[in-house]
Amino acid sequence: AQSVTQLGSHVSVSEGALVLLRCNYSSSVPPYLFWYVQYPNQGLQLLLKYTSAATLVKGINGFEAEFKKSETSFHLTKPSAHMSDAAEYFCAVSVFGNEKLTFGTGTRLTIIP
Amino acid sequence: NAGVTQTPKFRILKIGQSMTLQCAQDMNHNYMYWYRQDPGMGLKLIYYSVGAGITDKGEVPNGYNVSRSTTEDFPLRLELAAPSQTSVYFCASTHLTAGANVLTFGAGSRLTVL
Repeated sequence: AQSVTQLGSHVSVSEGALVLLRCNYSSSVPPYLFWYVQYPNQGLQLLLKYTSAATLVKGINGFEAEFKKSETSFHLTKPSAHMSDAAEYFCAVSVFGNEKLTFGTGTRLTIIP
Repeated sequence: NAGVTQTPKFRILKIGQSMTLQCAQDMNHNYMYWYRQDPGMGLKLIYYSVGAGITDKGEVPNGYNVSRSTTEDFPLRLELAAPSQTSVYFCASTHLTAGANVLTFGAGSRLTVL
C-alpha cells in the first residue's frame, strides 16, 4: 500500500520569503503525487499533480514541486510567499489502477507580515 | 456548474441519534468518495463508490453506511451517533481514466455529536 508523510504540521514564513513544504512518499510501484490546498472553511482544491511526465511540476498560484525518486520526495515550493497563501496543504498519493487517494496529515502554512 | 454539493453544512447531534449527510455531483463522475477530516490526522477514507450500485469500505467505515442508487448521489448514513464521529466530512468525486485522477471536493459538512 502507498503512503505519504508530511514533515512539519505547522510552518511559518515571512511574506516574500521562500515557502518549502515537505512530503515523502512510499510506494512499491510508480506513484501519482498531488498537492491540494484547503483554505479556511472550504473543501480541498488541486494545486498540482505529478503523473510520471516532467519531474518538475508547476501548479497554480506560483507553486511548484519536484519529484525526486532517489529521495522518495515531492516537496512543494514557492519563491515568494504571499499573505493569501495562508492555508493548509495536503500531499497525496495514488497509483495506476487504484482508485483511492491516500492523504498526508497536512501542513498548516502561516504567513508573517 | 455546481460541482459537488454537500448538505447540511453544520449539524449537531445527540449521542444515539442518526442522520444522513447528502452529497450530489453534476459532473457525471463515476467515482465518489466520503472522507472525514480530524485535526492533525489528515483525511481518512470512509467509503467509496465506483459507480451506481457499487460501494466499498475505506479505512474507517465503522459506524457509517452508504448507498449509490444513482450516478449523481452518494449519501452517507450515520447510525447511532457517537462523540468519536465529531468531525468534518468531505464528499469528493472524479471520473476515473487512465492516469492520475483529480478529485473535486465539496465544501464539507461539520458534524458535532454531544
